[in-house]
Amino acid sequence: DVKVTQSSRYLVKRTGEKVFLECVQDMDHENMFWYRQDPGLGLRLIYFSYDVKMKEKGDIPEGYSVSREKKERFSLILESASTNQTSMYLCASKIGGRSYEQYFGPGTRLTVT
Amino acid sequence: GIQVEQSPPDLILQEGANSTLRCNFSDSVNNLQWFHQNPWGQLINLFYIPSGTKQNGRLSATTVATERYSLLYISSSQTTDSGVYFCAVTMDSNYQLIWGAGTKLIIKP
Repeated sequence: DVKVTQSSRYLVKRTGEKVFLECVQDMDHENMFWYRQDPGLGLRLIYFSYDVKMKEKGDIPEGYSVSREKKERFSLILESASTNQTSMYLCASKIGGRSYEQYFGPGTRLTVT
Repeated sequence: GIQVEQSPPDLILQEGANSTLRCNFSDSVNNLQWFHQNPWGQLINLFYIPSGTKQNGRLSATTVATERYSLLYISSSQTTDSGVYFCAVTMDSNYQLIWGAGTKLIIKP
């Protein structure tokens, strides 16, 4: 069974703080993704990585950065958290290539006050 | 870009009823997935089904790629089936999942 884990289920941070969201997968998947989900807007892709140290911008990368130093771990970084980054953050992974299914972690509900 | 439309947007049923959820997409796809998002926000893979028919217990799915639609069937609904069901596709040109808006299903005891 594929397992994707995220470091926190719930997180509360203050405006201006630097925030790290961690995602780990145990299936040796090449591709990893970060999404945010907001009511009425659905899931939107922030960044994805198709290999170690590789990253590509998704639809809404502004205000975020990512890091992939090891194959199993993909980190999302909010350099200076803002209230409009309050959201549900979901990580996913899949085998390399255009096909194959994505597997999702449990999500991190981030509140920025 | 490709459009993914799900219907109905909302569905309320009594426990034990059957239901059919539909996903239409506007272009050829090489991947189609059905997910269930539970009340805690977790997205659970139901089916990876770019074409054909699959069954898993009370759930089954059919994708007719040539006609650009997929159907998710839920039989003998249980209250634990409540949540939002999403259809998502990828195209040849990139890795990105394109999502439908979801069907919100409520199963009443």
